Amino acid sequence: LAKTTQPISMDSYEGQEVNITCSHNNIATNDYITWYQQFPSQGPRFIIQGYKTKVTNEVASLFIPADRKSSTLSLPRVSLSDTAVYYCLVGAPNSGNTPLVFGKGTRLSVIA
Amino acid sequence: EAGVTQFPSHSVIEKGQTVTLRCDPISGHDNLYWYRRVMGKEIKFLLHFVKESKQDESGMPNNRFLAERTGGTYSTLKVQPAELEDSGVYFCASSPGELRNEQFFGPGTRLTVL
Repeated sequence: LAKTTQPISMDSYEGQEVNITCSHNNIATNDYITWYQQFPSQGPRFIIQGYKTKVTNEVASLFIPADRKSSTLSLPRVSLSDTAVYYCLVGAPNSGNTPLVFGKGTRLSVIA
Repeated sequence: EAGVTQFPSHSVIEKGQTVTLRCDPISGHDNLYWYRRVMGKEIKFLLHFVKESKQDESGMPNNRFLAERTGGTYSTLKVQPAELEDSGVYFCASSPGELRNEQFFGPGTRLTVL
């Protein structure tokens, strides 16, 4: 299973764009990159997934360079409600026998 | 549509007692997973059901933990007897089909063993 490395914590002011980078040097050919968000006292919530280049949805964008050894989650114009822990995971989506592996995540604190 | 629900939200028991946690997945989701986070540690996988069958239980810590999924619907996780190190937050997640990477998590059950 590919191991991921991401910052332990980040602080940001409201309204700024936040970029969280995750390293996954040993990513396998059939692995996807998935990001989850977790608020206090809640379970993790899927926010975005990608394989290469760029993926965008209503919540975030995910940038993946050609070598796929890293990825960057971009949150546009964060608000106080974006304060959460963000987890980067890698794995093959159709490998039913391989569980999700969570790392320590990045604790994002948004301040006014 | 209702999300994944878990009961209770918090349980406080004494060492040696038995506790049963319940998870109701999203209706129609064949895959059901249990995870837990013990104090200061990362979220760790416990086991995976596909319908009523255990697909992978490699993360179960020991034989004091027993998981069941009756009729492929809700699931229970029993800890008997509970030990101090079992304290933590137990999460349940479900997913449809084979899209393993997108799992829908419940709010978790906080278990405190005194």
